[in-house]
Amino acid sequence: EADIYQTPRYLVIGTGKKITLECSQTMGHDKMYWYQQDPGMELHLIHYSYGVNSTEKGDLSSESTVSRIRTEHFPLTLESARPSHTSQYLCASSEGNRGRGNTIYFGEGSWLTVV
Amino acid sequence: DAKTTQPPSMDCAEGRAANLPCNHSTISGNEYVYWYRQIHSQGPQYIIHGLKNNETNEMASLIITEDRKSSTLILPHATLRDTAVYYCIVHLNTGGFKTIFGAGTRLFVKA
Repeated sequence: EADIYQTPRYLVIGTGKKITLECSQTMGHDKMYWYQQDPGMELHLIHYSYGVNSTEKGDLSSESTVSRIRTEHFPLTLESARPSHTSQYLCASSEGNRGRGNTIYFGEGSWLTVV
Repeated sequence: DAKTTQPPSMDCAEGRAANLPCNHSTISGNEYVYWYRQIHSQGPQYIIHGLKNNETNEMASLIITEDRKSSTLILPHATLRDTAVYYCIVHLNTGGFKTIFGAGTRLFVKA
């Protein structure tokens, strides 16, 4: 069973507030990802990291930022939230090991509503 | 990573087999076929993966054609809880994971 955790699960905040979505995994995976998904729509990769101090932007442009100071921790931050940031944010990790496969494990998601 | 094509939606009667097709005609020799599913509002969940041989686990079976250009995910006895969006993805078994998930197939299992 996957061990990847996201907090908070649900968050309602006002416009202009700074928020951080937390993501932690206990599997020792080097690779971690953030996806954004609106209800009924496709998953879009917004950030990824291949290890400590490595972060890259994904296919979908996002005003959020990420950091990877520790292997197990990959937080996402919005400096000034806007209603357009309302969405579900999904954190994931993968091992990328030829012998053990490259299954991607997802957290349960963080639902963000900006009012 | 190779692109995949899936039908947007399918129906299946409860208790019957659900056969979900996927085309991946540009797959390269060292890319695997992975299947995930996403039940409403949850994060996607891994189902099964394979390279060229057919695979079976407790959740499903994966049939890959000999030329590897297409595959079929089989849920042998679909239940109402199998209603979800199913994603077929092809990617390497090493390295990072930047594969686009796409729209997947929305499977409706009906009583």
